Amino acid sequence: QVQLQESGPGLVKPSESLSLTCTVSGGSISSYYWSWMRQPPGEGLEWIGYIHYTGSTNYNPSFKNRVTISVDTSKHHFSLNLSSVTAADTAVYYCARDRWGGYFDSWGRGTLVTVSS
Amino acid sequence: QSALTQPASVSGSPGQSITISCTGTSSDVGRYNHVSWYEQHPGKAPNLIIYDVINRPSGVSNRFSGSKSGNTASLTISGLQAEDEADYYCCAYTTIDTYVFGTGTRVTVL
Repeated sequence: QVQLQESGPGLVKPSESLSLTCTVSGGSISSYYWSWMRQPPGEGLEWIGYIHYTGSTNYNPSFKNRVTISVDTSKHHFSLNLSSVTAADTAVYYCARDRWGGYFDSWGRGTLVTVSS
Repeated sequence: QSALTQPASVSGSPGQSITISCTGTSSDVGRYNHVSWYEQHPGKAPNLIIYDVINRPSGVSNRFSGSKSGNTASLTISGLQAEDEADYYCCAYTTIDTYVFGTGTRVTVL
């Protein structure tokens, strides 16, 4: 049973970058796609983007050029970087295994990131 | 990309059946049979309950079923139980190789 665990700072200052890592255990990071989602407090889910273990990516157009997702297969993790954050980026961030073109079958527990000075 | 449209809330009595709709466009829900549904209890991560419109992952109750007609997908919960009280989200794959989630539905068991 694959398990995912998000990690990173819980507090980020406005205009700075948010960086999170998702560590995959109990299964291979290879042969799969991996996605990041977020959920602002009291609101719905939003897909941010995906990465394939080969490094190919695609992102939600809503994030324009602010988002970068990367993968390090040797460390069994993939990462999210979101630049120029504002209070609107305050959310619980989730990582998930992406059965590409279909669905997300394993999720991390999520990590709350607050953007505040 | 705009979020898929779901009713904000649906309620039912124990044992009843309820249906949650998820309306998109011909570029997402209507284009592919790649619609999934997630159940989310307060403070918890979402959990996959339906994928590819009609399929249930192993371990998910057969009281959950999915369907699709045109640009609208639906999730039906039969034999409603207290444990079904949660938020439910649909999600669709799109023609630009992205995903879009629904606005979410709060299910209340009366």
